Amino acid sequence: KAGVTQTPRYLIKTRGQQVTLSCSPISGHRSVSWYQQTPGQGLQFLFEYFSETQRNKGNFPGRFSGRQFSNSRSEMNVSTLELGDSALYLCASSPSGLSQETQYFGPGTRLLVL
Amino acid sequence: GDSVTQMEGPVTLSEEAFLTINCTYTATGYPSLFWYVQYPGEGLQLLLKATKADDKGSNKGFEATYRKETTSFHLEKGSVQVSDSAVYFCASGGGGSYIPTFGRGTSLIVHP
Repeated sequence: KAGVTQTPRYLIKTRGQQVTLSCSPISGHRSVSWYQQTPGQGLQFLFEYFSETQRNKGNFPGRFSGRQFSNSRSEMNVSTLELGDSALYLCASSPSGLSQETQYFGPGTRLLVL
Repeated sequence: GDSVTQMEGPVTLSEEAFLTINCTYTATGYPSLFWYVQYPGEGLQLLLKATKADDKGSNKGFEATYRKETTSFHLEKGSVQVSDSAVYFCASGGGGSYIPTFGRGTSLIVHP
């Protein structure tokens, strides 16, 4: 099976812009989670989608949003970008989204906000 | 809520040295425990897991035993290689939280 793919791999944006990141999970996986990884804060959970519904949400402002399509592909959107949004954004998929399942991560999208 | 604490890095070792990275967890219920590894420029990938007390997970020479009495899941390897240089994350899932809980990560640097 193909692994989790994320596009684009790298992005450079300026403050105030918005950005959309894409994630394609492993075939058959219905749960997609998004994480923000920074040197200072480590790995922080953004949200999880299952069957097109947001099921869990982390402690991030409303500028961070996402959605999931019927084929389980997911997108994450960040509006009004701030310098502090510079990070590696990882998505992970799992079959059912149960927290005891193995998470399969993509390579990440590295976002730089200038 | 659930939490995972792992030793801060970086851990710097010479090739063929013994490795231990400590990890302790707090969780309600009986979580599954994981070690993930992140190589430079990549996402996390599962290294090993254990689903119940006294289980030992192992892969690529790495081992970790689920110790319920000490709420620990320490990662060990008898002889590290330069290629083991990476960031290692301890995680729990299936305890009291609906989402997996990750530690802060421990950077391992192995010198030839």
